[in-house]
Amino acid sequence: DGGITQSPKYLFRKEGQNVTLSCEQNLNHDAMYWYRQDPGQGLRLIYYSQIVNDFQKGDIAEGYSVSREKKESFPLTVTSAQKNPTAFYLCASSSPSAYNEQFFGPGTRLTVL
Amino acid sequence: AQSVSQHNHHVILSEAASLELGCNYSYGGTVNLFWYVQYPGQHLQLLLKYFSGDPLVKGIKGFEAEFIKSKFSFNLRKPSVQWSDTAEYFCAVNNAGNMLTFGGGTRLMVKP
Repeated sequence: DGGITQSPKYLFRKEGQNVTLSCEQNLNHDAMYWYRQDPGQGLRLIYYSQIVNDFQKGDIAEGYSVSREKKESFPLTVTSAQKNPTAFYLCASSSPSAYNEQFFGPGTRLTVL
Repeated sequence: AQSVSQHNHHVILSEAASLELGCNYSYGGTVNLFWYVQYPGQHLQLLLKYFSGDPLVKGIKGFEAEFIKSKFSFNLRKPSVQWSDTAEYFCAVNNAGNMLTFGGGTRLMVKP
């Protein structure tokens, strides 16, 4: 089945620790995205990548970092510099041929203890 | 910057009631419009989309939305909701490149 996988589903982190969230897609999409979902605020874009080895900051990139070494993978690192990291993180991908409709993974819920 | 407003944050309906969720956006040019739904414990999934043509678009599970360009709106409707429609609904707009701007979401609870 084609789709997007994110792991782990739940993640707990102590303050001061960096943590990396995984996102893999087998849809052969060029573009990938990371969003943060908080209650009442919808989805806010953290980083996006339109092609391998290239990525751009979104609206709330501070305290986060990404890499795009492979087309299929777009991991997100939540660093200790992120002031309020507890949230639900969603990864998505899209193809320009589909009018940029985005397909989403199941998400990772990160809790900082 | 583009913004998307969903005015109803929480909606509670009884089964068989009609539903209309509001969505307004700020960009005045050509837009692509989407409604996504997030059922409890499930992936965010596409409900329907508008790119061009007939401004009344039909999606899955009996949902439809109407694009009114003069009002910058893309409201979601369903004539008769079911308990299984309980979910969070997100409006999103794409006006350039691959970027989507999302509204804040509307939590719908349907009472059986």
